[in-house]
Amino acid sequence: EPEVTQTPSHQVTQMGQEVILRCVPISNHLYFYWYRQILGQKVEFLVSFYNNEISEKSEIFDDQFSVERPDGSNFTLKIRSTKLEDSAMYFCASSGQGATSNQPQHFGDGTRLSIL
Amino acid sequence: GENVEQHPSTLSVQEGDSAVIKCTYSDSASNYFPWYKQELGKRPQLIIDIRSNVGEKKDQRIAVTLNKTAKHFSLHITETQPEDSAVYFCAAMDTGRRALTFGSGTRLQVQP
Repeated sequence: EPEVTQTPSHQVTQMGQEVILRCVPISNHLYFYWYRQILGQKVEFLVSFYNNEISEKSEIFDDQFSVERPDGSNFTLKIRSTKLEDSAMYFCASSGQGATSNQPQHFGDGTRLSIL
Repeated sequence: GENVEQHPSTLSVQEGDSAVIKCTYSDSASNYFPWYKQELGKRPQLIIDIRSNVGEKKDQRIAVTLNKTAKHFSLHITETQPEDSAVYFCAAMDTGRRALTFGSGTRLQVQP
């Protein structure tokens, strides 16, 4: 079964540094997402992306965050100047295109981001 | 925006018993309700979903019911097994948005 893959599995970064999290969505999917999960808490939506632009973003997704699809397979999340509170598990997800907007979202294994 | 409440936060059952997890949502425009299972340190895994045009969906030992009038939906697991032990998250999605709003999760423990 095709899977969403994410790299790295764990990223340790000094506060104030930039970090890029990488994702390879399922190959025939057209919608891509980033979510985060602070340890022990619920999964929170950050951003959705379609046709090379952001289609939806939450209040968490402020100016320090950006997303990009640099080529035909990768989807990245960049955090420009990391803060301690950015420490979380970041999940990438993707979904296919269907008659409705409600196609299942499939998640990757996540990147654990630790800010020191 | 959407708000999803989930209960209980922890649930312990004996192997073979049934488990029920309940969620309520606030936005009447939501029309898609998936359930995810998350084992420790792993990805959320979609186990079942339901759309607003049906009231119930079943897949082997797992079923989901939806009451749109009351804005609540439930996950039912029958004949529970130790491997069902995990955290279960419900979620809801607004029409026109591509953003899942998750509940706070239920830690299910199935005692052998």
